[in-house]
Amino acid sequence: EVQLVQSGAEVKKPGESLKISCKGSGYSFTSYWIGWVRQMPGKGLEWMGIIYPGDSDTRYSPSFQGQVTISADKSISTAYLQWSSLKASDTAMYYCARSAAGTSRGYYDYWGQGTLVTVSS
Amino acid sequence: SYELTQPPSVSVSPGQTARITCSGDALPKQYAYWYQQKPGQAPVLVIYKDSERPSGIPERFSGSSSGTTVTLTISGVQAEDEADYYCQSADSSGSYVVFGGGTKLTVL
Repeated sequence: EVQLVQSGAEVKKPGESLKISCKGSGYSFTSYWIGWVRQMPGKGLEWMGIIYPGDSDTRYSPSFQGQVTISADKSISTAYLQWSSLKASDTAMYYCARSAAGTSRGYYDYWGQGTLVTVSS
Repeated sequence: SYELTQPPSVSVSPGQTARITCSGDALPKQYAYWYQQKPGQAPVLVIYKDSERPSGIPERFSGSSSGTTVTLTISGVQAEDEADYYCQSADSSGSYVVFGGGTKLTVL
């Protein structure tokens, strides 16, 4: 069974750093792109970027380029999303999802349960 | 930057047909996908490659494409279909992915 399990909710202060994770199982982790999607409270889905764990090829949305870093450790089948200095506006639910069909612009067939990040002083 | 445009809301009575549109200049070149999201849950894929339905998705969900607009149609809407629906596609060069703003489907 394909599963994406994300790390737990986080409460951080502005200016702090953070790295959240997404562990894949039940499939060949290095053969599928993993994307990250932001959903701010009461708002829609926003595509942040995507990584191919097989060779760490990474693409970012122009809106998130330079704001976050996406990485992966294929030895433990885990993808990451990290911030070096959080802002209150980073408060959101973050989803990881597997891109089907071996393409960076394909549809997402499996999603993680989401990680809620709250940034507040 | 590239955008996909959806109506904010659509309302239908049970048993009627709901149509949700998504417009974007690159849609003639790029596939569109549709997701259903219920409160407190992760999105679920309901249509891929404009009109294909994943296994397990009811036949009342269908998709179509015409020029710069794609449409998600839900025939014989049921109360359980009340949710937010999002289209997804890519820019014309395929460099990055974009989601539409989402449409809230209300079943009256």
